[in-house]
Amino acid sequence: KNQVEQSPQSLIILEGKNCTLQCNYTVSPFSNLRWYKQDTGRGPVSLTIMTFSENTKSNGRYTATLDADTKQSSLHITASQLSDSASYICVVSETGANNLFFGTGTRLTVIP
Amino acid sequence: DTGVSQDPRHKITKRGQNVTFRCDPISEHNRLYWYRQTLGQGPEFLTYFQNEAQLEKSRLLSDRFSAERPKGSFSTLEIQRTEQGDSAMYLCASSTWAPGTGYTFGSGTRLTVV
Repeated sequence: KNQVEQSPQSLIILEGKNCTLQCNYTVSPFSNLRWYKQDTGRGPVSLTIMTFSENTKSNGRYTATLDADTKQSSLHITASQLSDSASYICVVSETGANNLFFGTGTRLTVIP
Repeated sequence: DTGVSQDPRHKITKRGQNVTFRCDPISEHNRLYWYRQTLGQGPEFLTYFQNEAQLEKSRLLSDRFSAERPKGSFSTLEIQRTEQGDSAMYLCASSTWAPGTGYTFGSGTRLTVV
């Protein structure tokens, strides 16, 4: 069964600190993995997209890693800001399929 | 604004009423998707269009749900005889068919059935 699991479910960190969110998946055959940021009441906004051959990709203070062998990905946020408070969703697509497999997200709260 | 637009942003309706949502995708995107998201959960796939053809429907899309994309541009999602369990965020996304392309989501329509 194709699944995407994220950890932790929620996380509270102090402004300025770093954090790492985890995503494990069983989707096969694997096509690509995306990280989205979703503010409360808004649609998801893409942060990164990685294919099988990519190990790391950065977008400003966000750095995503992918280990296609162990089927794990992480999203590292550096020097967190209050505006980083949101849900971060890991999304995996299957080769040849038209829909996506979503994790339930990690709810990040950055406090001053 | 060249993003995905959804209308309305919020809808409150009485149980049993019909509601219709609209999604305007990015103009050069030929694929359009509808998702439903409940609180604390990731989006769940409902249906997918390529141009005007509805190519895939989830079993979540009961007979009370219907989606159209008549001219291959905007799409509508109608829910008939709404139930309280239909309360959710309804998200629309669009993409091209290029491999590795990212989906672009709209801001969603929040439906509350009272």
